Amino acid sequence: KAGVTQTPRYLIKTRGQQVTLSCSPISGHRSVSWYQQTPGQGLQFLFEYFSETQRNKGNFPGRFSGRQFSNSRSEMNVSTLELGDSALYLCASSPREGGQPQHFGDGTRLSIL
Amino acid sequence: GENVEQHPSTLSVQEGDSAVIKCTYSDSASNYFPWYKQELGKRPQLIIDIRSNVGEKKDQRIAVTLNKTAKHFSLHITETQPEDSAVYFCAASLTGTASKLTFGTGTRLQVTL
Repeated sequence: KAGVTQTPRYLIKTRGQQVTLSCSPISGHRSVSWYQQTPGQGLQFLFEYFSETQRNKGNFPGRFSGRQFSNSRSEMNVSTLELGDSALYLCASSPREGGQPQHFGDGTRLSIL
Repeated sequence: GENVEQHPSTLSVQEGDSAVIKCTYSDSASNYFPWYKQELGKRPQLIIDIRSNVGEKKDQRIAVTLNKTAKHFSLHITETQPEDSAVYFCAASLTGTASKLTFGTGTRLQVTL
């Protein structure tokens, strides 16, 4: 069974731009969560999607948003990029809402210039 | 919200020795505690997890113990090998309502020859 797939693996953007990241969960998994990983703040929860609905949200500004499609694939969007948004963005999937364990993808490394 | 503290931040052991990493959590409602291993440039990989109805779980050289009263859990690695060198993260979650994981700050384990 294929694991969690995230695209692209690397992105370079400039301040003020916006970016969209994609995540395809493990086949049959319906819950997708997003995390931001930085050296200073560690791994922080962004949001969780299940059945195309955001179920839970972390403490991030409204510039961070996401959505989930009927096939459980999810996208995350960050608008008006800031230097501090440089991070590894990780997606994790689990079979059901509130389900564990979660399995992570390789992440998208976003660099803001 | 939940807060997870992890110690030590770095740990160096000789090959064959044991390593212990400790975490404490703040929310007594948390009921699921996974441990992830992250090698440089790779995804966090689930290595073991424990649920609140169990006090200890073992998988070959890896074991996790949970003390609900004291709200702390620990990872034990015996007979360490160079390939155990990585960053280890503990996390806590309340399953059934949300998949959100609250992570500790990580422990960099180095196994020396």
